[in-house]
Amino acid sequence: EIVLSQSPGTLSLSPGERATLSCRASQSVSSSYLAWYQQKPGQAPRILIFGASSRATGIPDRFSGSGSGTDFTLTISRLEPEDFAVYYCQQYGNLPWTFGQGTKVEIK
Amino acid sequence: QVQLQESGPGLVKPSQTLSLTCTVSGGSISSGGYYWTWIRQHPGKGLEWIGYIFYSGTTYYNPSLRSRVIISVDTSKNHFSLKLSSVTVADTAVYYCARAVRGVHLWFDPWGQGTLVTVSS
Repeated sequence: EIVLSQSPGTLSLSPGERATLSCRASQSVSSSYLAWYQQKPGQAPRILIFGASSRATGIPDRFSGSGSGTDFTLTISRLEPEDFAVYYCQQYGNLPWTFGQGTKVEIK
Repeated sequence: QVQLQESGPGLVKPSQTLSLTCTVSGGSISSGGYYWTWIRQHPGKGLEWIGYIFYSGTTYYNPSLRSRVIISVDTSKNHFSLKLSSVTVADTAVYYCARAVRGVHLWFDPWGQGTLVTVSS
């Protein structure tokens, strides 16, 4: 199975700052079949990005995804108070589908 | 819009079988183009995909759980179910059901609210 490693584990930033989250795969993710999810405490995850760079419906354009092969990035251009959460990458190019362990974006 | 809701016991004894149902409302489970999936999250941890079922009954299970998992679908009741046998404390988790939207790409949306299942004697 493809193992996804996310870094850093925790990112401490202030509102208005830029957040850069990394997701590295143990083998190439075919056709950039990679998604990003946001999860807030007590809630189910929410889809942000699919296909490595396509924003899901209703997702603000401050969220952007990039990358291919084994290295992917989620960028939040200017953090809003509601963006402090845990973010997971997930690959769907190979079964079993797998998730990264998550990056927590916390208020500094 | 489509909504999913998990239901089932919140407490299961070790060695027994965990059984959960996900009821789909606002849409038909028989609609093509979707995988109906189960995902779990151990307390304070990340997400683990358990498996999926297509409305026709085709399934795929995570190899890590394959020997203990059965996912089934009842199109007449518009719900799908998870059975996980021989549970241990390591199966304590929040269990989510989710619809996997499939096309060129795939994503999980919507999700149920999640249900905590505790394995304890």
